[in-house]
Amino acid sequence: NAGVTQTPKFQVLKTGQSMTLQCAQDMNHNSMYWYRQDPGMGLRLIYYSASEGTTDKGEVPNGYNVSRLNKREFSLRLESAAPSQTSVYFCASSEFYRTENTEAFFGQGTRLTVV
Amino acid sequence: RKEVEQDPGPFNVPEGATVAFNCTYSNSASQSFFWYRQDCRKEPKLLMSVYSSGNEDGRFTAQLNRASQYISLLIRDSKLSDSATYLCVVNPTDKLIFGTGTRLQVFP
Repeated sequence: NAGVTQTPKFQVLKTGQSMTLQCAQDMNHNSMYWYRQDPGMGLRLIYYSASEGTTDKGEVPNGYNVSRLNKREFSLRLESAAPSQTSVYFCASSEFYRTENTEAFFGQGTRLTVV
Repeated sequence: RKEVEQDPGPFNVPEGATVAFNCTYSNSASQSFFWYRQDCRKEPKLLMSVYSSGNEDGRFTAQLNRASQYISLLIRDSKLSDSATYLCVVNPTDKLIFGTGTRLQVFP
């Protein structure tokens, strides 16, 4: 069972470079999310997609763009990387929000360093 | 004020101890609540959902107080393997919001 697959697992960028983090899920989930995790800050929501065809900003969207390519895939793009974007990025998906039984499944994370 | 607040800890407890974590949330319209566990440098994984009537799963008990907008997690008979960060998660509208996590270290 693949679950949620994120690529790449590690990346080093120079300031100003661009890159796209890829995420795919094979569980037929409606909702997908991108989070970043920094020491002492917990997981902060960057963008989310409640269903195919919709995307919304989370808590920290500045400097990022997203694309919900289809129901399976949700990508995160850094157009011009900055050192402040050094973080661990997690993609997640869930069946449906607003129920007690909604479990979010996470990818293994992307460790991004911007120098 | 953050939407979901937790005491960051760390909580250092001996094996066999009982430990409780608390979490408060600000959005009264929140509908679903969860506790996730995260091991060092790994992705978070669901520990348990929190139901309105409270629920138990082995050594773990979760409680919800909607009036006070408060969630708790109780771990009984702590094991070394319980050492991890415990994340409170709230589901207002159509997104999942995480607390900063509470770190637990169980020592022999």
